[in-house]
Parts: sequence; C-alpha cells; structure tokens
Amino acid sequence: TQLLEQSPQFLSIQEGENLTVYCNSSSVFSSLQWYRQEPGEGPVLLVTVVTGGEVKKLKRLTFQFGDARKDSSLHITAAQPGDTGLYLCAGPDSSYKLIFGSGTRLLVRP
Amino acid sequence: KAGVTQTPRYLIKTRGQQVTLSCSPISGHRSVSWYQQTPGQGLQFLFEYFSETQRNKGNFPGRFSGRQFSNSRSEMNVSTLELGDSALYLCASSLVRDRVYNEQFFGPGTRLTVL
Repeated sequence: TQLLEQSPQFLSIQEGENLTVYCNSSSVFSSLQWYRQEPGEGPVLLVTVVTGGEVKKLKRLTFQFGDARKDSSLHITAAQPGDTGLYLCAGPDSSYKLIFGSGTRLLVRP
Repeated sequence: KAGVTQTPRYLIKTRGQQVTLSCSPISGHRSVSWYQQTPGQGLQFLFEYFSETQRNKGNFPGRFSGRQFSNSRSEMNVSTLELGDSALYLCASSLVRDRVYNEQFFGPGTRLTVL
C-alpha cells in the first residue's frame, strides 16, 4: 500500500516568516500534486510535479519533487495571512487512485 | 467556466436512514471521483466514474455506492447510515487527458451529519 506522510501536522507562524512542508513516502510516485483547502471549501490544486528533481514556483511558493520521486516539499517565502489553510499532497497509486497525505494545517498570524 | 457543484451543502440524517448526494462536474470533464474527508482519516478515495462506468473503487463497504449519468453528472448513495459516516463528502472532476496526472478539481463538498 502506498502511503504519503506529511510533516509537520500543524504550523503556526508570524506573517513574513518562511516555512517548509514535507511530503514523504517509501514508494515511488509517477507524479505528486499539492492542494490547498480553506475552511468550508474543497481542495484547490496548486501544482503537479512529474520529473524527479523538478522545481516549480508559484509566486512565493516553491515546490520540489525528490530525485527518486518518493518525496516532495513546499516552501513558502514571506508567508501572509492569506496562505492560511490545509496543505495536502497527493499522488496516484498503481491503479490511478489518488492517495492523499494527512495534511499540514498552516496558520499565519498577522 | 463554472466549477464543480455539489448539492446539498449540508445534510443531517439519523442512523439507519439513507442519503443521496449530487455532483455536477466542470463542463467537458468526463471523470468524476468521490472522496470522504474526516478529521481522523483525512481524505479518502471512495470511487471514480468515467463514461457512466465505475472505473475505480476505494476500500469502503458496499453501503457506499454511486452512479454517473450520460451528461457526466454523478450521484453517490449511502444506505443504512452509521454515526461514523459523518464527514465532508467531496466530489471532484478531471479531464482525464492522462491518468498518470489525474489532477482533480473539487467541489465545495456536502457536510453530512449522522445523529
């Protein structure tokens, strides 16, 4: 069974600080996705990484896929209150079902 | 382009009842997937429908079922509700250009409370 573990589970930081969220697995994934979910809403896709070692940037968010395609990280520079939410990583298993990590709940205090 | 819509947004039922949730995918999206989200188990895959056929199924009991119509709209049904079925039920649609990517576009969810 392919599993995705995210760390940390919770993160509370001050506006302007940097942070990194990790998504790890013992299995190889063909791709990994990152979603952000706000209260009362469904998750919103942020990015998909496909190639080992790939780095993608979305404004202040930087996503990296590990060389072995078993892990990924999300780095936020100068966090803002609008970044608050639940960050989820997800990847398709061998039968194309999307598996989600347990999530990182981020709170950015003004 | 309109996003994924789900109805109803909130639902309260009692144990033993059954419930039907509805989902309209983004126009042009032919794949619809359903997920259950709870604080304890996180987001878990229920099933996926494509061209009115169930293409994939998660590890849930037979009380959970679904279907897809010719216009890609989908419904899921939960029979004989249990307290543990209380959750946010999310529907997602995708273009299915490549199943390796399987990028999902989620609706706002239906919050089901079982009393």
